[in-house]
Amino acid sequence: EAQVTQNPRYLITVTGKKLTVTCSQNMNHEYMSWYRQDPGLGLRQIYYSMNVEVTDKGDVPEGYKVSRKEKRNFPLILESPSPNQTSLYFCASSSPVTGTETYEQYFGPGTRLTVT
Amino acid sequence: GQSLEQPSEVTAVEGAIVQINCTYQTSGFYGLSWYQQHDGGAPTFLSYNALDGLEETGRFSSFLSRSDSYGYLLLQELQMKDSASYFCALGGSTLGRLYFGRGTQLTVWP
Repeated sequence: EAQVTQNPRYLITVTGKKLTVTCSQNMNHEYMSWYRQDPGLGLRQIYYSMNVEVTDKGDVPEGYKVSRKEKRNFPLILESPSPNQTSLYFCASSSPVTGTETYEQYFGPGTRLTVT
Repeated sequence: GQSLEQPSEVTAVEGAIVQINCTYQTSGFYGLSWYQQHDGGAPTFLSYNALDGLEETGRFSSFLSRSDSYGYLLLQELQMKDSASYFCALGGSTLGRLYFGRGTQLTVWP
């Protein structure tokens, strides 16, 4: 089954404790992205990756890191989480076969993060 | 930068037709897409317009006018299961870059 998986689905942590949210896709997609979703603000792109070792900042990259060492994986790293990073996080992937399909993104189930 | 505006809420009854508008400001983009999100779920892709005009996919249609910086999602024969949030999203001038609106909560009443 074609899918994007994220782990963990729920996480409660404390300020300053480094954490990683994993994201993996089995569709051989070149593009992957991370979004955060906060009430009333919609989805905001944190980072995106066009291929292995190629990443770029989105709307709200501060406080986050990403890496793309393998095509299928795109982990999101919070080196020192703070309460304002409490949010719902989505990973997504897509394939720019024609250049337009970038916008048909396949989303993971989401990770609900609480930082106290 | 890019900005998108859409109504925060829309209500309609079963069987009706509803249009969700999206206006935007951008310095360049590839196209406009639409996503649906049910409470607690992940967004799912509905439609994409690269060119001006209407794209039809079953009960859903989407429209884009680049000259008016405007698009809309049209939902016909509304069903209760269509109650969800709907987001418009601009594909930025850099492939992979995507800008979402704040979403429109659609409530369908019986």
